[in-house]
Amino acid sequence: QKEVEQDPGPLSVPEGAIVSLNCTYSNSAFQYFMWYRQYSRKGPELLMYTYSSGNKEDGRFTAQVDKSSKYISLFIRDSQPSDSATYLCAMSASGRDDKIIFGKGTRLHILP
Amino acid sequence: DTAVSQTPKYLVTQMGNDKSIKCEQNLGHDTMYWYKQDSKKFLKIMFSYNNKELIINETVPNRFSPKSPDKAHLNLHINSLELGDSAVYFCASSQWDTEAFFGQGTRLTVV
Repeated sequence: QKEVEQDPGPLSVPEGAIVSLNCTYSNSAFQYFMWYRQYSRKGPELLMYTYSSGNKEDGRFTAQVDKSSKYISLFIRDSQPSDSATYLCAMSASGRDDKIIFGKGTRLHILP
Repeated sequence: DTAVSQTPKYLVTQMGNDKSIKCEQNLGHDTMYWYKQDSKKFLKIMFSYNNKELIINETVPNRFSPKSPDKAHLNLHINSLELGDSAVYFCASSQWDTEAFFGQGTRLTVV
């Protein structure tokens, strides 16, 4: 089993819809959870960051972490065509020597 | 086959030394990146090359210099290493609108 699993998509939704992106993981030591957004021909940029379990909201974006299920989600409300990108989940344990483990990314298309 | 490989995985060196981290991708991608993982686990872009041409050059000390001998390789040279350079450095590559593939990271420790 891979440490981080993410459906590659592509996921196509109409403009204005709520988008749900998800990742599962196997390492119970993960404490930091991140979502990166990557536009075409650009490098990934940090979008959301959560420590341990719970929810975090930033504008139209909400990140959820359920450590008991080893499942994280990113919700995008009122999706816009400008949200079309690849979204990568990433996570890391809390130790000093722990590296970030990335999901493969989900390609999202918001249809006007 | 490893898609994006970087060497070494661990590097311990003394202050003032000059060191290099190598990155190679066998995916045929045109674009390669160097990222630095900071103490909060965030990944911050340092450089981006597209077909051996420097595209992104974020505000990093000029002691850091990327070198791309061909589009499959992007090496990171660091001169006069300082304690604050200790971090994990990630190489990545991507092609057009595909996702970025990351290497496993190089943990640099400056003592």
